[in-house]
Amino acid sequence: QVQLQESGPRLVKPSGTLSLTCAVYGGPVRNNNWWTWVRQPPGKGLEWIGEVYHTGSSNYNPSLKSRVTISVEVSKNQFSLRLTSVTAADTALYYCGRRDPGFYYYLDVWGKGTTVTVSS
Amino acid sequence: DIQMTQSPSSLSASVGDSVTVTCRASQSIGSYLNWYQLKPGTAPKVLIYAASTLEDGVSSRFSGSGSGTEFTLTISSLQPEDFATYCCQQSFMTPYTFGQGTKLEIK
Repeated sequence: QVQLQESGPRLVKPSGTLSLTCAVYGGPVRNNNWWTWVRQPPGKGLEWIGEVYHTGSSNYNPSLKSRVTISVEVSKNQFSLRLTSVTAADTALYYCGRRDPGFYYYLDVWGKGTTVTVSS
Repeated sequence: DIQMTQSPSSLSASVGDSVTVTCRASQSIGSYLNWYQLKPGTAPKVLIYAASTLEDGVSSRFSGSGSGTEFTLTISSLQPEDFATYCCQQSFMTPYTFGQGTKLEIK
């Protein structure tokens, strides 16, 4: 059974770079799945950030595309999120997830999430 | 982007009740609609995908219906562990978007 675990700094300074890693346990990241990042700002709904395939192909939310990079490290069985030029609006609970390889693209496995605060 | 409008935003009910949450899409999404359960400190859990397909291991008290632009999640015979936040998501096209969530509280 695949499990995901987010890790990374909990506090990032404004204009800095947010970097998170999602470790994949119980299965290879080099599988027929898209690996996803989703966030939830305080008091708001979930926002899809983007996804990456083990080949490195990626899709991003246009609202974040100029600042976001999602990459995969097959040798470490993990994938990562990098968000540049952060502001207070990027303060959120960040989740990593696995997209089911079937036809309906739902997230069938999620991590527990990690809270990131942008503040000086 | 496709907007997902979920209602109500909060709901109070008692153990044993049945409740229904509605999700509306700003354009037709076929059956590309998924429902998740969120609880603080835990990994979100998919309940329903493809509008009405129950994910393996999820209680049959959960059911989903709808297609096009209007969808519902129904939870029958509420149990204490069902009090959580429920969220819909369209996976018809990127960026995949979510509803604002419905917080289900114990009355």
